Amino acid sequence: QVTLRESGPALVKPTQTLTLTCTFSGFSLKRSGMSVTWIRQPPGGALEWLARIDWDDDKYYRTSLKTRLTISKDTSNNLVVLTMTNMDPADTATYYCARISTTTTHDAFDVWGQGTMVTVSS
Amino acid sequence: EIVLTQSPGTLSLSPGDSATLSCNPSQSVGTNYLAWYQQKPGQAPRLLIYATSNRAAGTPDRFSGSGSGTRFTLTIRRLEPEDFAVYYCQLYGSAFQYNFGQGTKLAIK
Repeated sequence: QVTLRESGPALVKPTQTLTLTCTFSGFSLKRSGMSVTWIRQPPGGALEWLARIDWDDDKYYRTSLKTRLTISKDTSNNLVVLTMTNMDPADTATYYCARISTTTTHDAFDVWGQGTMVTVSS
Repeated sequence: EIVLTQSPGTLSLSPGDSATLSCNPSQSVGTNYLAWYQQKPGQAPRLLIYATSNRAAGTPDRFSGSGSGTRFTLTIRRLEPEDFAVYYCQLYGSAFQYNFGQGTKLAIK
């Protein structure tokens, strides 16, 4: 069974750096065609894709946020980390990680974590 | 950037009805990378359809996807009470960017 779980601070102050961890099980990020991605959703708002990391360490970022985002992986411990710098109240959202299986679902996000709510406030 | 426009914003129907949800990309796209997700209140989204018309594991066959170019559709036949939710379309496009539509809320009439 594939599962993902997000963890990180519930509250960060403006200008601080947010670090989120996605811990997963049931698949390996060493396997060809596997990727993990991050998405966020502001309260009452739509989904917004943030970043993706592939099994071969290729990384992709939302163009508008590229300068603030860094994604990395630790395949030995089955986790993916997302950092976002210079946090602003507009970054208040639920942050999700999800799996991508390129070979089976054409780069769609086939399994999601339950999400973690992050509030940016002083 | 390709913008996905979903319509209607809200669709009010009754159980047993059929629903037709639209997703219109701002420019023509291929069918391989258009997906649909369902999100219920307080839950994470769930993949329903990928590559325009392929049902994900566990998606009931009353859900179907179709379309091409700039017009894509999610159809739900014989609505069940658990189908009332928000639906998002998603595109994986050029320059390795993912875009979501703004969502359609399927509400009970």
